[in-house]
Amino acid sequence: LAKTTQPISMDSYEGQEVNITCSHNNIATNDYITWYQQFPSQGPRFIIQGYKTKVTNEVASLFIPADRKSSTLSLPRVSLSDTAVYYCLVGDRGDDKIIFGKGTRLHILP
Amino acid sequence: EAGVAQSPRYKIIEKRQSVAFWCNPISGHATLYWYQQILGQGPKLLIQFQNNGVVDDSQLPKDRFSAERLKGVDSTLKIQPAKLEDSAVYLCASNTGTQEYQETQYFGPGTRLLVL
Repeated sequence: LAKTTQPISMDSYEGQEVNITCSHNNIATNDYITWYQQFPSQGPRFIIQGYKTKVTNEVASLFIPADRKSSTLSLPRVSLSDTAVYYCLVGDRGDDKIIFGKGTRLHILP
Repeated sequence: EAGVAQSPRYKIIEKRQSVAFWCNPISGHATLYWYQQILGQGPKLLIQFQNNGVVDDSQLPKDRFSAERLKGVDSTLKIQPAKLEDSAVYLCASNTGTQEYQETQYFGPGTRLLVL
């Protein structure tokens, strides 16, 4: 399983767009990139998953460059309720095992 | 659709005592996971079940931790005897286990254990 590196913490303000970048230099051909969100006192929750280029859903966008050695989670117009820990995970297609790092603690300020 | 249920939500015990956690996955989900999350860290997989069989328990401290999923539905995780370093949140997750790509895991709220 490829190792991921992401910032330990980030601060932003309400209404701003937040971009969290994750590095995964050793990503393999069959690996997918997945992001989870975890609020205090709750279990992680799936946000978005992608393989290449751009993926968008109602919550976030995921940008993956051609070399796939990094990815960027983009949260549009954040609110206080987006304060959480965000985990970037890389896993093999067909392998449902995931390994969590320490994640990025995002703190949204009013 | 009901989510993953876990109980109890909180537990305080003294070291060397035993404790058990219960998880009921989403209906129809064949794969069930138990994770340990120590404060400030990401969840660490302890054990993975596919139906009632163990797929991976490589990170389960088997001298004190045990888990079962006898009928392939709900599961229990037991610690006996507990140590101070077992203080953590124990998370249960599940998915169908049938998709060919990395499938979303659905997590329960967790059980927060404090060992004194």
